[in-house]
Amino acid sequence: DGGITQSPKYLFRKEGQNVTLSCEQNLNHDAMYWYRQDPGQGLRLIYYSQIVNDFQKGDIAEGYSVSREKKESFPLTVTSAQKNPTAFYLCASSIASRDQETQYFGPGTRLLVL
Amino acid sequence: ILNVEQSPQSLHVQEGDSTNFTCSFPSSNFYALHWYRWETAKSPEALFVMTLNGDEKKKGRISATLNTKEGYSYLYIKGSQPEDSATYLCAFDSSYKLIFGSGTRLLVRP
Repeated sequence: DGGITQSPKYLFRKEGQNVTLSCEQNLNHDAMYWYRQDPGQGLRLIYYSQIVNDFQKGDIAEGYSVSREKKESFPLTVTSAQKNPTAFYLCASSIASRDQETQYFGPGTRLLVL
Repeated sequence: ILNVEQSPQSLHVQEGDSTNFTCSFPSSNFYALHWYRWETAKSPEALFVMTLNGDEKKKGRISATLNTKEGYSYLYIKGSQPEDSATYLCAFDSSYKLIFGSGTRLLVRP
């Protein structure tokens, strides 16, 4: 089955700790995205990657970092610089990063701060 | 700052009712408008990608229309069923990224 997997489903972060959210896709898509959802708000773009070894900041990149060493993987690190990390995080992919391309989403990771 | 608004925020209807909701978006630099359906505990799932002014798309009991000149799209559900309960998201496609509205949460009571 082709799709996008995210792990873990729930993640707890202690103060000052960096945590990494995993995103893997086997759809052979070039483009991958990370979004954050807060209550009452739309999905906001954190980072996106159009191709392996390249990524761009989205609208709310501060306090986050990413890597794209493999086509199928786009992990997101929430650093200690992110002061309000509690949110639901969604990863998505599309065939390419261009207009009219459908994005396919993973099931999400909920991050909570202890 | 590009803003995408969806209304209403939530909607409760009875099984069998038809319903509709609105997505408002900027009328300039338009590339496409996407509709997604997001059921609880599942991933958002694409419903439609709409590109041309006057576009109408249909998938079963769900249909959507697009007016790019005035910057709005309507999503219609005919004869709502409990399985239609979900959050419906629209997203304005600005070429390299999607800008999402906050969604309309639909609850269909049996």
